[in-house]
Amino acid sequence: DVKVTQSSRYLVKRTGEKVFLECVQDMDHENMFWYRQDPGLGLRLIYFSYDVKMKEKGDIPEGYSVSREKKERFSLILESASTNQTSMYLCASNQRTDTQYFGPGTRLTVL
Amino acid sequence: AQTVTQSQPEMSVQEAETVTLSCTYDTSESDYYLFWYKQPPSRQMILVIRQEAYKQQNATENRFSVNFQKAAKSFSLKISDSQLGDAAMYFCAYRSRNSNYQLIWGAGTKLIIKP
Repeated sequence: DVKVTQSSRYLVKRTGEKVFLECVQDMDHENMFWYRQDPGLGLRLIYFSYDVKMKEKGDIPEGYSVSREKKERFSLILESASTNQTSMYLCASNQRTDTQYFGPGTRLTVL
Repeated sequence: AQTVTQSQPEMSVQEAETVTLSCTYDTSESDYYLFWYKQPPSRQMILVIRQEAYKQQNATENRFSVNFQKAAKSFSLKISDSQLGDAAMYFCAYRSRNSNYQLIWGAGTKLIIKP
C-alpha cells in the first residue's frame, strides 16, 4: 500500500514565523502535491512537483514556497506565517496514474 | 477554465438506505477523468471511484456507483446500503487528459449517516 506521511497532525505557530511542513511518500512517485483545504472551498492546489528540484505553481502559491531535494520528500514552506494561512494542509503523490494518494493532513493554526 | 460544482453542502441518510450525491462540471474538452474521493473524520482522503469520459459504462465499486451523463456534464455518486463508516466528506474532482495531473475539485458534500 502507498503510504504518504506528514510531519505533524497539528501545528500552532505565531505570525511572522517561518513554518516547514514536510511530506514523505514511500512509493517512488514522480509527482507530489501540496493542497490547502478550507470549508466550502474544497481543495486548492498550492504547488506541485513532477521531479526532484522541479516545481510548478498551483492556484494559490502566494505566501508559500516548496522544496524537493529528494524524490520521496516534498516540503511546503511558509516564509512568514500569517493568520490567513490558518488552514488544513494536505500532501498527495502519484505516479503516471490519476489516483492521488493523500497524507493525513496538517491542521495549522497561526496566532 | 474547468469548474466542478457540488450543490449539496450536507446530506443525511438513514443507515441501510441509498443516497445520491450530486456533482456537475463545466468543460469544453471531450476527454477527461472524473473522481469521487472520500475524507472520513480521520482526514485521510481516499479514492472511492473513477470514471473515464470515453467510457459509456458507469463505474461501479461494490456499494458505490456513479451515474455519468456526459452531455449533461453530471457525475453523481450513489451509495447503496449506507453504513456508519460511510460518514465523511465526499469530493468530486475533474482532470483533463491533457493536464499536468492537476485535479479540479468541488467544494465537498458532508454525508451524515443516521443510525
